[in-house]
Amino acid sequence: ETGVTQTPRHLVMGMTNKKSLKCEQHLGHNAMYWYKQSAKKPLELMFVYSLEERVENNSVPSRFSPECPNSSHLFLHLHTLQPEDSALYLCASSQDDYGQHYGYTFGSGTRLTVV
Amino acid sequence: AQKITQTQPGMFVQEKEAVTLDCTYDTSDPSYGLFWYKQPSSGEMIFLIYQGSYDQQNATEGRYSLNFQKARKSANLVISASQLGDSAMYFCAMREDNYGQNFVFGPGTRLSVLP
Repeated sequence: ETGVTQTPRHLVMGMTNKKSLKCEQHLGHNAMYWYKQSAKKPLELMFVYSLEERVENNSVPSRFSPECPNSSHLFLHLHTLQPEDSALYLCASSQDDYGQHYGYTFGSGTRLTVV
Repeated sequence: AQKITQTQPGMFVQEKEAVTLDCTYDTSDPSYGLFWYKQPSSGEMIFLIYQGSYDQQNATEGRYSLNFQKARKSANLVISASQLGDSAMYFCAMREDNYGQNFVFGPGTRLSVLP
């Protein structure tokens, strides 16, 4: 497999459920990201992992919990979500060398619906 | 303050014609990169083109070119010979080398190519 793979593609969960989103990259990148894309809003950066350490979380609610066990895998653990958390969750990776202008490679996203 | 502005929520273009998607940005970082991404209905964000702040020439990638006007802080995307498959959301993004090194995305422009 190549690129950035996200699973599942679609997820419907109740507000009391616990679920996890998975992201895997096969590009040898050293940084991974979670973005949230809501209708009619710009992409919002949620979490950044560089060299497997979290460097930014942008004040995301604690009901979202990221995990980066190694440089190729990134998880987003979800619990007691709200309906307004329904969105497309995009994972991305990059080679995060200072001063280098590298673009992000994105996955296809997980479309999350909270009911 | 919004760092990336895309003033066209939606655009229409006739097949085989050229179209320009506007993007203006705001930064005080002398070193930055500008990117354009395409997001079809499938959700995946596809990298199109990159322009560095110190690049002397406008970037080109096949049918895509970036009209970079540094003094005006604009980085418009030009798509030549539009195809039906170009119908998608288009996002302008900026990465500041000295301020967090993370991407900031604009709100996007929805392009519809008419047959």
